[in-house]
Amino acid sequence: DIVMTQSPDSVAVSLGERATINCKSSQSLLYRSDNKNYLAWYQQKPGQPPKLLIYWASTRESGVPDRISGSGSGTDFTLTISSLQAEDAAVYYCHQYYSTPPTFGQGTKVEVK
Amino acid sequence: QVQLVESGGGVVQPGGSLRLSCAASGFTFSNYGIHWVRQAPGKGLEWMAVMSHDGNQKYYADSVKGRFTISRDSSKNTVYLQMNSLRVEDTATYYCAKVVGRLPGYFDFWGQGTLVTVSS
Repeated sequence: DIVMTQSPDSVAVSLGERATINCKSSQSLLYRSDNKNYLAWYQQKPGQPPKLLIYWASTRESGVPDRISGSGSGTDFTLTISSLQAEDAAVYYCHQYYSTPPTFGQGTKVEVK
Repeated sequence: QVQLVESGGGVVQPGGSLRLSCAASGFTFSNYGIHWVRQAPGKGLEWMAVMSHDGNQKYYADSVKGRFTISRDSSKNTVYLQMNSLRVEDTATYYCAKVVGRLPGYFDFWGQGTLVTVSS
């Protein structure tokens, strides 16, 4: 199984400041035949299901604000919130769909400082 | 709009069984696979099972293989998760999620979840 490790476990950021979450996979998520990274990011707020933010490591889902972006390739990926808003307080998960079983990072809690 | 509505959760004793349902609407059900993902209270996401759009592919997490069975009824636009031999550690909110792309795929929409509590 591919192990997904996120860092940090939690982070507190001031409103308007940048939040960065890292995700490392135990093997490459880059599929050579299509040159795509099989990595997604989700946001989960208390009492709600996860919401898709990013897929193919850097493609923003429709309706996701452009202050949220994904980057990286291979085994190292980053989710960046460029200017934190109050509504961005949540837990964020990375997810590899390169192979079965699909696996998730342990989650990173983003709080407003 | 896309809707996934889970039902069937509840309180069950260890060793018991439950059948969860995931009723889909707002999209062409026969074109998409469906996953089950669970989340224990205060914990992270754990993938459980997936069935392909045509029912020909089914995969399970090792932790539930042989105990859980995924199935779908296209006439009802519903996916089921039959859970047998339940354990205390199966206590969680169970979500169904719609797949995009070839399995396993990423999950573009999740239901609200149904809570399963295994306790004596």
